[in-house]
Amino acid sequence: KAGVTQTPRYLIKTRGQQVTLSCSPISGHRSVSWYQQTPGQGLQFLFEYFSETQRNKGNFPGRFSGRQFSNSRSEMNVSTLELGDSALYLCASSRDRDTYNEQFFGPGTRLTVL
Amino acid sequence: KNQVEQSPQSLIILEGKNCTLQCNYTVSPFSNLRWYKQDTGRGPVSLTIMTFSENTKSNGRYTATLDADTKQSSLHITASQLSDSASYICVVSPGGSGDKLTFGTGTRLAVRP
Repeated sequence: KAGVTQTPRYLIKTRGQQVTLSCSPISGHRSVSWYQQTPGQGLQFLFEYFSETQRNKGNFPGRFSGRQFSNSRSEMNVSTLELGDSALYLCASSRDRDTYNEQFFGPGTRLTVL
Repeated sequence: KNQVEQSPQSLIILEGKNCTLQCNYTVSPFSNLRWYKQDTGRGPVSLTIMTFSENTKSNGRYTATLDADTKQSSLHITASQLSDSASYICVVSPGGSGDKLTFGTGTRLAVRP
C-alpha cells in the first residue's frame, strides 16, 4: 500500500511569491491534515479536510489556504510569502476524523523563502 | 492552555545503552497519547498510542508508559541502535477532530557508536 506522498519535496521561493503544495493520501483515507514544522515551534496545525470540506483551521493568517478534491488529494496554498514561512510542511492522512486512528505522515515539503 | 512539554530537549547516548524520554502534558480532557519518531528530513512515524486506561505499550525495543493521574508519559528505548537517532515527539489528544492535537517540541536523540 503506497504511503502519503507530497510534492514537491523542496521549494525555494522569494518574498511576495505564492506557492502550492500537493498531498496524496493513502488510498481509502478521507481525512487530510496539514502541519507546519519549524525548529523552534515544533508541529503546528494548519487545517484539516474531510470529504472535500475544511473541518478545522489552526491559528494561521488567511494567506494560508487549502482544498481537497473528490479523490481526497489535497493542496495547500500560501500567498504573499514571508521569510517566516520557511518551514517543513507536512501532510497527514487518516481513515476518518477520529483522532484514535493513526495519522500517517508524508515526507514533507521543505519550503525556503529568500 | 493545553501544553505538552518534553525533556530532555536533546540527548546523546552510546550504542547499546538504554534511555528514557519524558513527556508531561496539561491537555484536558484526555483521550489518547502517542509517540512519534521522526528521522531527519522525513515525516513522523507513529510508535505507540495509548488511551487513559493503558499504562504500558511496547513496540519492539520501544516501551511507552502512561500515568494519566500525574499526566506523565515516558518512552524507554532499550539496547539503542544507530538507527534510533531521530527526534521523538509526544502528541496528546483530547479526542475529536485533528485540530485538538497538541504536539510537544520533541527530544532529539543521537546514538553514537
